[in-house]
Amino acid sequence: AQKVTQAQTEISVVEKEDVTLDCVYETRDTTYYLFWYKQPPSGELVFLIRRNSFDEQNEISGRYSWNFQKSTSSFNFTITASQVVDSAVYFCALSSARQLTFGSGTQLTVLP
Amino acid sequence: DVKVTQSSRYLVKRTGEKVFLECVQDMDHENMFWYRQDPGLGLRLIYFSYDVKMKEKGDIPEGYSVSREKKERFSLILESASTNQTSMYLCASSIPSLADTQYFGPGTRLTVL
Repeated sequence: AQKVTQAQTEISVVEKEDVTLDCVYETRDTTYYLFWYKQPPSGELVFLIRRNSFDEQNEISGRYSWNFQKSTSSFNFTITASQVVDSAVYFCALSSARQLTFGSGTQLTVLP
Repeated sequence: DVKVTQSSRYLVKRTGEKVFLECVQDMDHENMFWYRQDPGLGLRLIYFSYDVKMKEKGDIPEGYSVSREKKERFSLILESASTNQTSMYLCASSIPSLADTQYFGPGTRLTVL
């Protein structure tokens, strides 16, 4: 069985602070994909990134960066210099056997 | 641009009513999915479909059924709505591969009184 754990239920930071959202996963599959989605207050889940299990290179996209460590089964997401518009619920997800398993989400609030 | 639309953003129904939630995608995706989202539980898969007229149960199918008569449309049906089905319902679609990224609609917030 697959499992995704996002231990941080809520995080609150002040604008311009850096923040890291944790994601730990469990799977017995050797081939899998990991995702991060953002859900702003409007409700629609927005795809942010996809990573496959064979590529442990970290990725940076603007203020966003992702750290994939297979040894610890973690796929953490860092926002540098956070902004109020980053306030949202962030979901980590694991894809295997054509289905996505989601974590319970982390509510990020960025205060001005 | 990827587009998944859902028939209603907000819906209020009474216990025992039959409820239809519609989802349409314009990306010619084979796969479509229905999830419900509840606080602290994340997204849970209700049903999915890999092709027209095909359907498979997800993790929590009880109390729900689905219909996929056309490739672009996937309907979720609550045969007899109950208060514990009050939730946010999200539809998604994807191409069929392990790496398939799912694209989501805006969601329907259903309240059953």
